[in-house]
Amino acid sequence: GAGVSQSPRYKVTKRGQDVALRCDPISGHVSLYWYRQALGQGPEFLTYFNYEAQQDKSGLPNDRFSAERPEGSISTLTIQRTEQRDSAMYRCASSPTGQMNTEAFFGQGTRLTVV
Amino acid sequence: QQPVQSPQAVILREGEDAVINCSSSKALYSVHWYRQKHGEAPVFLMILLKGGEQKGHEKISASFNEKKQQSSLYLTASQLSYSGTYFCGTPDQGAQKLVFGQGTRLTINP
Repeated sequence: GAGVSQSPRYKVTKRGQDVALRCDPISGHVSLYWYRQALGQGPEFLTYFNYEAQQDKSGLPNDRFSAERPEGSISTLTIQRTEQRDSAMYRCASSPTGQMNTEAFFGQGTRLTVV
Repeated sequence: QQPVQSPQAVILREGEDAVINCSSSKALYSVHWYRQKHGEAPVFLMILLKGGEQKGHEKISASFNEKKQQSSLYLTASQLSYSGTYFCGTPDQGAQKLVFGQGTRLTINP
């Protein structure tokens, strides 16, 4: 596609349910990042992949959060047993190389609300 | 560690200039600047890789002072389209990830 696509755009879930957030990066991009962004704040790093390999997951808040990118393209961020504090905008970004100092392209995000 | 941006918010009239600062308590190897309009995704503006480097994008330019561990974004003759929140991001040492500042909200009034 033309840009980074995330789905769903909005997700309302009950506390305790599992959710899966999807990210479809720009075709051919090597790196894929997941960020969480609270209202009025900068994006907060969660995890990233180069191709299918998860290189760093140090930003995942706890073991209820996991991510995968099995074929080096589409990625899924899964949150198990959701809690109200998980409510936030989850953004995905991709960049064409595995280098740090290249432009990252952000998706429109998934707004998650846990009720 | 999160870079610190100042000011937190700026209100300008169209045509006025603004400076947004980004500073870090640790060594900076590069600085990335993004702009995010309300309800939209952050959009890349520029990366500064070397101390003393300056870059421009439209009438927006930036400088990077490695020794002072800071970068500044300059918006000249601001246009309504410049409104949004500006974020600087710095690489976490030795890691391929950005740590973003808390943002500077820029409002341009006609």
